[in-house]
Amino acid sequence: QKEVEQDPGPLSVPEGAIVSLNCTYSNSAFQYFMWYRQYSRKGPELLMYTYSSGNKEDGRFTAQVDKSSKYISLFIRDSQPSDSATYLCAMRALRNDYKLSFGAGTTVTVRA
Amino acid sequence: DAGVTQSPTHLIKTRGQQVTLRCSPKSGHDTVSWYQQALGQGPQFIFQYYEEEERQRGNFPDRFSGHQFPNYSSELNVNALLLGDSALYLCASSSRRLAGGEKFFGPGTRLTVL
Repeated sequence: QKEVEQDPGPLSVPEGAIVSLNCTYSNSAFQYFMWYRQYSRKGPELLMYTYSSGNKEDGRFTAQVDKSSKYISLFIRDSQPSDSATYLCAMRALRNDYKLSFGAGTTVTVRA
Repeated sequence: DAGVTQSPTHLIKTRGQQVTLRCSPKSGHDTVSWYQQALGQGPQFIFQYYEEEERQRGNFPDRFSGHQFPNYSSELNVNALLLGDSALYLCASSSRRLAGGEKFFGPGTRLTVL
């Protein structure tokens, strides 16, 4: 069993729809949770960063963490074609633990 | 302010050869981590360097080695290349002084082993 599970998709939605992405994990020590966006043949770009359980909103993006269920989510409102990318969840246990454990990534296409 | 830079962009090698990849961290960052991302997969942690020493290592063989220089830049060396080493190699930088220690990734070096 992988430490971090993420549905690879692909996910195709019409422009303006809400995109819902999620990951589950098995390591209860994870406390820091991140979402990255990766365009084709580029490096990952940090989108959201959260600590412990709760919600965090940044513009059209909302990240949710439920540590009791070992489940994290990312919601993208009013999706745009420019949101078409692969979205990676990542997590780590300690603030100074620089090993990130990644999901496999979900490929999202927003249709104009 | 330049972000994380990596060189070269692309590289083609043959089995058994050795390769060196380079990374310059974001200004103000002192920690460099290396990741391997196979096609269709998430990045896998190789190792992390801080104060010119390897601090953490993932599940990679000794063929993978690295170095960090006094200016915080870093190199990743891979010896005796295998076909399975073909991947995008990502460098990430961060600072232990900043709250959260968020990671910023470079654009990567795409290595093809023939």
